[in-house]
Amino acid sequence: ETGVTQSPTHLIKTRGQQVTLRCSSQSGHNTVSWYQQALGQGPQFIFQYYREEENGRGNFPPRFSGLQFPNYSSELNVNALELDDSALYLCASSEGNSYNEQFFGPGTRLTVL
Amino acid sequence: DAKTTQPPSMDCAEGRAANLPCNHSTISGNEYVYWYRQIHSQGPQYIIHGLKNNETNEMASLIITEDRKSSTLILPHATLRDTAVYYCIVRASGYSTLTFGKGTMLLVSP
Repeated sequence: ETGVTQSPTHLIKTRGQQVTLRCSSQSGHNTVSWYQQALGQGPQFIFQYYREEENGRGNFPPRFSGLQFPNYSSELNVNALELDDSALYLCASSEGNSYNEQFFGPGTRLTVL
Repeated sequence: DAKTTQPPSMDCAEGRAANLPCNHSTISGNEYVYWYRQIHSQGPQYIIHGLKNNETNEMASLIITEDRKSSTLILPHATLRDTAVYYCIVRASGYSTLTFGKGTMLLVSP
């Protein structure tokens, strides 16, 4: 059973640029959630995708957008990067839209200069 | 989702039980209590969850008070590898996302 994988592991961008982060969900999981974790804070929910549809969104501006593909992998896109977007971006997959536990990937560390 | 309150840090000697408290005084009847932990530079890892009864698995035990306003996560024999930030989360019915606080930094020492 393959766990949740994310790419890239680290990324450096400059303010105003755009970035795409990728996540492959665990085998058999059709739900992907994205979280942002600033230094010293707990992860904050960005949005969730269930069977290719957005299924909930946290308090993040529209420049944070996402996609889920038929194989349930997912992308997080951030436009017009700001310095405060520097964080660890975590992807979690789960089975179904329910209480099932979420399995997290190792994250992508984004630094915006 | 109801909010949780956890101590910012705790220490535990290796081999001893680690008891991590969590207050969730505004929890609703259909909200579960979840515990995750995050080892440095890794993604969070699910530990255990419960509704009203005590739960035990290979990693830990979860004790929920009868009024459900607080709970305790117990690691029966802490090891150095248990050093991590532990998050207590209450999760609303039919809503599958997780709302993390700052958690408790558990330091297990030799």
